[in-house]
Amino acid sequence: GQQLNQSPQSMFIQEGEDVSMNCTSSSIFNTWLWYKQEPGEGPVLLIALYKAGELTSNGRLTAQFGITRKDSFLNISASIPSDVGIYFCAGQLNNQGGKLIFGQGTELSVKP
Amino acid sequence: EAGVTQSPTHLIKTRGQQATLRCSPISGHTSVYWYQQALGLGLQFLLWYDEGEERNRGNFPPRFSGRQFPNYSSELNVNALELEDSALYLCASSGGQGADQPQHFGDGTRLSIL
Repeated sequence: GQQLNQSPQSMFIQEGEDVSMNCTSSSIFNTWLWYKQEPGEGPVLLIALYKAGELTSNGRLTAQFGITRKDSFLNISASIPSDVGIYFCAGQLNNQGGKLIFGQGTELSVKP
Repeated sequence: EAGVTQSPTHLIKTRGQQATLRCSPISGHTSVYWYQQALGLGLQFLLWYDEGEERNRGNFPPRFSGRQFPNYSSELNVNALELEDSALYLCASSGGQGADQPQHFGDGTRLSIL
């Protein structure tokens, strides 16, 4: 199925470091979403972006909706051990009938 | 506020059997979505129900079907189970069909086909 290109696939960082991950697509989207999934759980919504160029923060997390509407990034500042998990980007088009298209995920490991 | 709830947590079936998965949306949400998360394939859109009607389906065979009840809860049915149907099935709900109504996920049903 159709997927976004999400990178990096995995990251191993030291506690306190900043993290950056991004998603790109050949298609434009009206909405970009970022989710975090931990083992045995479903994805949890972190940030939702609705306008090109929009920059939104949620605590130590910051995400931006690319100006071309074909990309988005997520930054995590001052990482802590509980940031461990898989982060997914998802794009949505208004005329796609509720369908979210997901990136492959970025697996984040944080060393205390 | 209770989140999206799914049952059962785990389901073990054999090839050829039928499976029924259940989902209760967040209170006040009318749209329910189903996704398959298979190893190596990521999250794939299956079905969208809103106000009791199927509004959209992903690229899955007809043996994947479902319905939405008047209380907005939903069932996903998978007939003639195949080994490759083994996956985590996630349900999400949103407050409406607009793109400004983000989808919130449950913890999924792990379906294992022996």
